[in-house]
Amino acid sequence: EVQLVETGGGLVQPGRSLKLSCVASGFTFNNYWMSWTRQAPGKGLEWVASITNSGGSTYYPDSVKGRFTISRDNAQNTLYLQMNSLRSEDTATYYCTRGTSDFWGPGTMVTVSS
Amino acid sequence: DIQMTQSPSLLSASVGDRVTINCKASQNINKYLNWYQQKLGEAPKLLIYNTNNLQTGIPSRFSGSGSGTDYTLTISSLQPEDFGTYFCFQHNSWPLTFGSGTKLEIK
Repeated sequence: EVQLVETGGGLVQPGRSLKLSCVASGFTFNNYWMSWTRQAPGKGLEWVASITNSGGSTYYPDSVKGRFTISRDNAQNTLYLQMNSLRSEDTATYYCTRGTSDFWGPGTMVTVSS
Repeated sequence: DIQMTQSPSLLSASVGDRVTINCKASQNINKYLNWYQQKLGEAPKLLIYNTNNLQTGIPSRFSGSGSGTDYTLTISSLQPEDFGTYFCFQHNSWPLTFGSGTKLEIK
C-alpha cells in the first residue's frame, strides 16, 4: 500500500525557516518524481515544487522560487521541503504527492504568524 | 502560465442525476489533465488521470473526456457519497496549475 506521511509543520514567525519531511513507503521511491502542493485554509490547491526521481532537476512556481528548496534522500525514501523567508501567505496545509500527483499524504499544517 | 478555468464553482444536484464539471485551459494541455475529489479535512483523491483514465478503485460512474483546451468530468448517476469539492489539474507544462474547484452539494 502506497503511504506518504508528512511531518515538520507548525507555527513559525515571518521571515523564519522551516523544513518539512515526507516519508514514503509501499512503492519504489527512486522510480518516481515527487512534488509538494499546498492549500491555504478554505482555498484552492497550489503546486509548490517538484523533483525528478534522481534529484537532478527541480521545479518551482515564481511564488516560492528562491525561498523554497525541494530535495530527496532516496536511501531513506524521504522527500524534503526547506522553506526560508516565510511569509504569512505561505500559511497552508502542505501535501507530499507522488509522480503526477496520483497519491497524496494527509498533509502537514504550516502557520506563519507573529 | 496556463490558467485553468473551472465551472461551475458551486453545483447542487440530486441522487441519480448526471453531473458534469468543466475545465478550460488557457492553452493546449495535450490531455495531461487529472481530476480530484476532496472531502473536508482530507487530502485530495485522484479520480481520473490523463483526461479519461479511471484511477484504480474509483467507481465507473466517474468518467473524463476532452482534448486541447476543454475537459469534462462526468458523474453518470450521482451518489450521496459524491459530495465534496472537485479540482482539475494540468501537468502538461510548468508551472503546474489547478482549477479553482467545484463544490458539489447533494440536494
